[in-house]
Amino acid sequence: QKEVEQNSGPLSVPEGAIASLNCTYSDRGSQSFFWYRQYSGKSPELIMSIYSNGDKEDGRFTAQLNKASQYVSLLIRDSQPSDSATYLCAVSFLFGNEKLTFGTGTRLTIIP
Amino acid sequence: KAGVTQTPRYLIKTRGQQVTLSCSPISGHRSVSWYQQTPGQGLQFLFEYFSETQRNKGNFPGRFSGRQFSNSRSEMNVSTLELGDSALYLCASSTTGGGGTDTQYFGPGTRLTVL
Repeated sequence: QKEVEQNSGPLSVPEGAIASLNCTYSDRGSQSFFWYRQYSGKSPELIMSIYSNGDKEDGRFTAQLNKASQYVSLLIRDSQPSDSATYLCAVSFLFGNEKLTFGTGTRLTIIP
Repeated sequence: KAGVTQTPRYLIKTRGQQVTLSCSPISGHRSVSWYQQTPGQGLQFLFEYFSETQRNKGNFPGRFSGRQFSNSRSEMNVSTLELGDSALYLCASSTTGGGGTDTQYFGPGTRLTVL
Protein backbone atom coordinates (compact mmCIF):
# COMPACT_ATOMS: atom_id res chain seq x y z
CA GLN A 1 0.00 0.00 0.00
CA LYS A 2 1.60 3.19 -1.13
CA GLU A 3 0.97 5.91 1.42
CA VAL A 4 1.62 9.56 1.82
CA GLU A 5 1.24 11.00 5.28
CA GLN A 6 0.91 14.53 6.53
CA ASN A 7 0.09 16.07 9.86
CA SER A 8 -3.48 17.30 9.42
CA GLY A 9 -2.93 20.31 11.66
CA PRO A 10 -4.25 22.88 12.01
CA LEU A 11 -0.89 24.60 12.00
CA SER A 12 -0.98 28.21 13.18
CA VAL A 13 1.90 30.53 12.33
CA PRO A 14 2.27 34.27 13.03
CA GLU A 15 2.40 36.56 10.04
CA GLY A 16 5.96 37.06 8.86
CA ALA A 17 7.24 33.83 10.39
CA ILE A 18 8.35 30.66 8.63
CA ALA A 19 5.75 27.93 8.15
CA SER A 20 7.12 24.39 7.92
CA LEU A 21 5.03 21.61 6.43
CA ASN A 22 6.13 17.99 6.36
CA CYS A 23 5.22 14.88 4.41
CA THR A 24 6.46 11.29 4.53
CA TYR A 25 5.94 8.59 1.94
CA SER A 26 6.20 4.86 2.10
CA ASP A 27 7.50 3.78 -1.32
CA ARG A 28 11.21 4.17 -1.94
CA GLY A 29 10.55 4.01 -5.67
CA SER A 30 8.85 7.42 -5.61
CA GLN A 31 10.41 9.82 -8.03
CA SER A 32 8.32 12.99 -8.20
CA PHE A 33 7.00 15.11 -5.39
CA PHE A 34 4.55 17.96 -5.47
CA TRP A 35 3.06 20.49 -3.14
CA TYR A 36 -0.41 21.76 -3.93
CA ARG A 37 -2.27 24.55 -2.18
CA GLN A 38 -6.01 24.35 -1.85
CA TYR A 39 -8.16 27.18 -0.63
CA SER A 40 -11.49 26.29 0.90
CA GLY A 41 -14.00 25.46 -1.83
CA LYS A 42 -11.39 25.64 -4.58
CA SER A 43 -9.37 23.10 -6.53
CA PRO A 44 -5.72 22.33 -5.79
CA GLU A 45 -3.12 24.50 -7.45
CA LEU A 46 0.50 23.50 -7.92
CA ILE A 47 3.03 25.41 -5.84
CA MET A 48 6.21 23.41 -6.13
CA SER A 49 7.56 20.26 -7.69
CA ILE A 50 10.81 18.56 -6.73
CA TYR A 51 12.52 15.51 -8.14
CA SER A 52 16.05 15.44 -6.71
CA ASN A 53 17.43 15.38 -3.19
CA GLY A 54 18.08 18.78 -1.71
CA ASP A 55 16.37 22.13 -1.74
CA LYS A 56 14.45 23.92 -4.43
CA GLU A 57 13.50 27.54 -3.97
CA ASP A 58 10.82 29.58 -5.69
CA GLY A 59 10.17 32.98 -4.21
CA ARG A 60 9.02 32.59 -0.62
CA PHE A 61 8.65 28.83 -1.02
CA THR A 62 11.34 26.19 -0.53
CA ALA A 63 10.77 22.49 -1.07
CA GLN A 64 13.17 20.04 0.54
CA LEU A 65 13.50 16.40 -0.45
CA ASN A 66 15.32 13.65 1.41
CA LYS A 67 14.82 10.34 -0.37
CA ALA A 68 16.92 8.38 2.12
CA SER A 69 14.58 9.42 4.92
CA GLN A 70 11.55 9.42 2.64
CA TYR A 71 10.30 12.84 3.48
CA VAL A 72 9.57 16.03 1.67
CA SER A 73 8.91 19.37 3.27
CA LEU A 74 7.71 22.81 2.28
CA LEU A 75 8.93 25.99 3.93
CA ILE A 76 7.03 29.24 3.49
CA ARG A 77 9.05 32.30 4.46
CA ASP A 78 7.53 35.62 5.48
CA SER A 79 4.12 33.98 5.85
CA GLN A 80 1.17 36.06 4.74
CA PRO A 81 -2.52 35.74 5.64
CA SER A 82 -3.13 34.79 2.01
CA ASP A 83 -1.04 31.66 2.63
CA SER A 84 -3.80 30.32 4.87
CA ALA A 85 -4.99 27.19 3.07
CA THR A 86 -4.69 23.43 3.07
CA TYR A 87 -1.40 22.17 1.68
CA LEU A 88 -1.43 18.81 -0.06
CA CYS A 89 1.64 16.69 -0.57
CA ALA A 90 1.45 14.46 -3.65
CA VAL A 91 3.77 11.73 -4.81
CA SER A 92 4.24 10.05 -8.16
CA PHE A 93 5.70 6.57 -8.05
CA LEU A 94 8.33 5.11 -10.32
CA PHE A 95 6.82 1.94 -11.63
CA GLY A 96 3.73 1.75 -13.80
CA ASN A 97 1.63 4.71 -14.68
CA GLU A 98 0.16 5.20 -11.28
CA LYS A 99 -1.03 8.69 -10.78
CA LEU A 100 -0.58 11.08 -7.93
CA THR A 101 -1.11 9.77 -4.44
CA PHE A 102 -2.08 12.54 -2.09
CA GLY A 103 -1.69 13.01 1.58
CA THR A 104 -4.73 14.20 3.47
CA GLY A 105 -3.33 17.71 3.71
CA THR A 106 -2.20 20.11 6.41
CA ARG A 107 -4.40 23.08 7.20
CA LEU A 108 -2.28 26.18 7.68
CA THR A 109 -3.53 29.35 9.32
CA ILE A 110 -1.45 32.51 9.31
CA ILE A 111 -2.29 34.72 12.24
CA PRO A 112 -2.10 38.48 11.51
CA LYS B 1 -3.69 29.02 -22.61
CA ALA B 2 -7.07 28.19 -21.15
CA GLY B 3 -7.03 25.99 -18.09
CA VAL B 4 -8.85 22.76 -17.40
CA THR B 5 -12.61 23.20 -17.54
CA GLN B 6 -15.26 21.06 -15.93
CA THR B 7 -18.99 21.03 -16.38
CA PRO B 8 -21.30 21.27 -14.66
CA ARG B 9 -19.90 22.99 -11.60
CA TYR B 10 -22.70 21.85 -9.31
CA LEU B 11 -25.08 18.92 -9.44
CA ILE B 12 -27.80 17.65 -7.18
CA LYS B 13 -29.06 14.12 -7.74
CA THR B 14 -31.04 11.55 -5.80
CA ARG B 15 -30.01 8.06 -4.82
CA GLY B 16 -30.24 5.54 -7.63
CA GLN B 17 -29.82 8.07 -10.40
CA GLN B 18 -26.81 8.29 -12.65
CA VAL B 19 -24.66 11.26 -13.52
CA THR B 20 -22.16 12.25 -16.20
CA LEU B 21 -19.43 14.80 -15.60
CA SER B 22 -17.33 16.40 -18.31
CA CYS B 23 -13.74 17.60 -18.42
CA SER B 24 -11.87 19.52 -21.12
CA PRO B 25 -8.11 19.43 -20.63
CA ILE B 26 -5.58 22.12 -21.36
CA SER B 27 -4.91 22.35 -25.07
CA GLY B 28 -2.19 19.88 -26.03
CA HIS B 29 -2.63 17.75 -22.92
CA ARG B 30 -3.44 14.15 -23.69
CA SER B 31 -3.72 12.67 -20.23
CA VAL B 32 -6.81 13.22 -18.11
CA SER B 33 -7.13 11.95 -14.56
CA TRP B 34 -10.15 11.98 -12.30
CA TYR B 35 -10.11 12.30 -8.53
CA GLN B 36 -12.75 12.22 -5.84
CA GLN B 37 -12.32 14.52 -2.86
CA THR B 38 -14.25 14.09 0.36
CA PRO B 39 -13.62 15.52 3.82
CA GLY B 40 -13.01 12.08 5.28
CA GLN B 41 -10.90 10.43 2.59
CA GLY B 42 -9.18 13.38 1.00
CA LEU B 43 -8.19 13.22 -2.65
CA GLN B 44 -8.48 9.75 -4.13
CA PHE B 45 -7.52 8.70 -7.63
CA LEU B 46 -10.33 7.30 -9.76
CA PHE B 47 -8.80 6.65 -13.18
CA GLU B 48 -6.64 8.08 -15.91
CA TYR B 49 -7.14 8.21 -19.64
CA PHE B 50 -4.57 8.71 -22.32
CA SER B 51 -5.26 8.58 -26.05
CA GLU B 52 -8.79 7.33 -25.46
CA THR B 53 -7.59 4.38 -23.36
CA GLN B 54 -7.95 3.89 -19.66
CA ARG B 55 -4.38 3.54 -18.55
CA ASN B 56 -4.81 3.25 -14.82
CA LYS B 57 -7.59 2.76 -12.33
CA GLY B 58 -8.02 3.38 -8.62
CA ASN B 59 -9.93 1.33 -6.09
CA PHE B 60 -13.47 2.36 -6.84
CA PRO B 61 -16.45 0.14 -7.67
CA GLY B 62 -17.55 -0.49 -11.22
CA ARG B 63 -20.32 2.10 -10.85
CA PHE B 64 -17.62 4.63 -11.63
CA SER B 65 -16.59 4.65 -15.25
CA GLY B 66 -15.15 7.03 -17.75
CA ARG B 67 -14.10 7.57 -21.29
CA GLN B 68 -11.97 9.87 -23.37
CA PHE B 69 -12.66 11.22 -26.80
CA SER B 70 -10.28 11.81 -29.69
CA ASN B 71 -9.98 15.50 -28.77
CA SER B 72 -8.83 14.43 -25.26
CA ARG B 73 -12.04 15.59 -23.60
CA SER B 74 -13.14 13.15 -20.96
CA GLU B 75 -16.35 12.17 -19.28
CA MET B 76 -16.93 10.38 -16.03
CA ASN B 77 -20.11 8.49 -15.25
CA VAL B 78 -21.44 7.30 -11.92
CA SER B 79 -24.39 4.94 -12.00
CA THR B 80 -26.78 4.02 -9.21
CA LEU B 81 -25.75 6.94 -7.06
CA GLU B 82 -25.27 6.44 -3.33
CA LEU B 83 -25.24 9.05 -0.57
CA GLY B 84 -21.52 8.41 -0.13
CA ASP B 85 -20.84 9.55 -3.68
CA SER B 86 -21.40 13.14 -2.59
CA ALA B 87 -18.04 14.75 -3.19
CA LEU B 88 -16.01 17.18 -5.22
CA TYR B 89 -14.93 15.49 -8.44
CA LEU B 90 -11.75 16.89 -9.84
CA CYS B 91 -10.27 16.44 -13.24
CA ALA B 92 -6.59 17.01 -13.91
CA SER B 93 -4.71 17.10 -17.17
CA SER B 94 -1.07 16.67 -18.10
CA THR B 95 0.92 16.32 -21.29
CA THR B 96 1.60 12.62 -21.14
CA GLY B 97 0.86 11.42 -17.65
CA GLY B 98 2.82 8.41 -16.49
CA GLY B 99 4.39 9.85 -13.41
CA GLY B 100 7.94 11.07 -13.68
CA THR B 101 8.30 14.80 -14.09
CA ASP B 102 4.92 15.35 -15.68
CA THR B 103 2.80 17.87 -13.80
CA GLN B 104 -0.95 17.69 -13.41
CA TYR B 105 -3.14 20.76 -13.51
CA PHE B 106 -6.53 20.64 -11.88
CA GLY B 107 -9.85 21.95 -13.03
CA PRO B 108 -12.30 23.76 -10.73
CA GLY B 109 -14.21 20.57 -9.97
CA THR B 110 -17.81 19.45 -10.02
CA ARG B 111 -19.58 19.46 -6.67
CA LEU B 112 -21.98 16.49 -6.62
CA THR B 113 -24.60 16.22 -3.93
CA VAL B 114 -26.63 13.04 -3.64
CA LEU B 115 -29.86 13.29 -1.68
